[in-house]
Amino acid sequence: KAGVTQTPRYLIKTRGQQVTLSCSPISGHRSVSWYQQTPGQGLQFLFEYFSETQRNKGNFPGRFSGRQFSNSRSEMNVSTLELGDSALYLCASSLGMAGELFFGEGSRLTVL
Amino acid sequence: AQSVTQPDIHITVSEGASLELRCNYSYGATPYLFWYVQSPGQGLQLLLKYFSGDTLVQGIKGFEAEFKRSQSSFNLRKPSVHWSDAAEYFCAVGQNTGNQFYFGTGTSLTVIP
Repeated sequence: KAGVTQTPRYLIKTRGQQVTLSCSPISGHRSVSWYQQTPGQGLQFLFEYFSETQRNKGNFPGRFSGRQFSNSRSEMNVSTLELGDSALYLCASSLGMAGELFFGEGSRLTVL
Repeated sequence: AQSVTQPDIHITVSEGASLELRCNYSYGATPYLFWYVQSPGQGLQLLLKYFSGDTLVQGIKGFEAEFKRSQSSFNLRKPSVHWSDAAEYFCAVGQNTGNQFYFGTGTSLTVIP
């Protein structure tokens, strides 16, 4: 069974640009969550989608958005990039509620 | 507000020695508790989880954790550490209304031969 796949793995952007990250969950998993990981801050929850609906949302500005498609694939978008958005963005899929999260290897974003 | 504290940023142990990683949480209801491990360049992998029942939980790779409600703790233990255990360890707390988890800032484990 294929794991969680995130693309791209690495990307470099400049301030003010926007970026879209993609996540393909494990087959059969309907929940997809996104986390931002930075040194010293650990993992911070961005949002969770279940069956194309945002079920939970973390405390991030509106520049961070996401969506989920009917095949459970998810994308997150960050607009008007800031230097502080440089981080590893992790996607995780799960079968249901409060279950085990299966993480992808992440997309490492560098903002210059 | 929910939060997780991992007091030890970095721990160094000798191979074969025992290990305990500390985790304290703040949560209003009965928490769902997890330990994840992250190897360099990898995503996170679940080591073990506690939902209810027996407060001593067994996980993969020989790890175990004990839930102590009175101390709001969920410490991870291993009796004998292997060099391959060197990694970053994250404690997390969740709720039963979705998959929104609160993670600690992690403990980096170094294993010396």
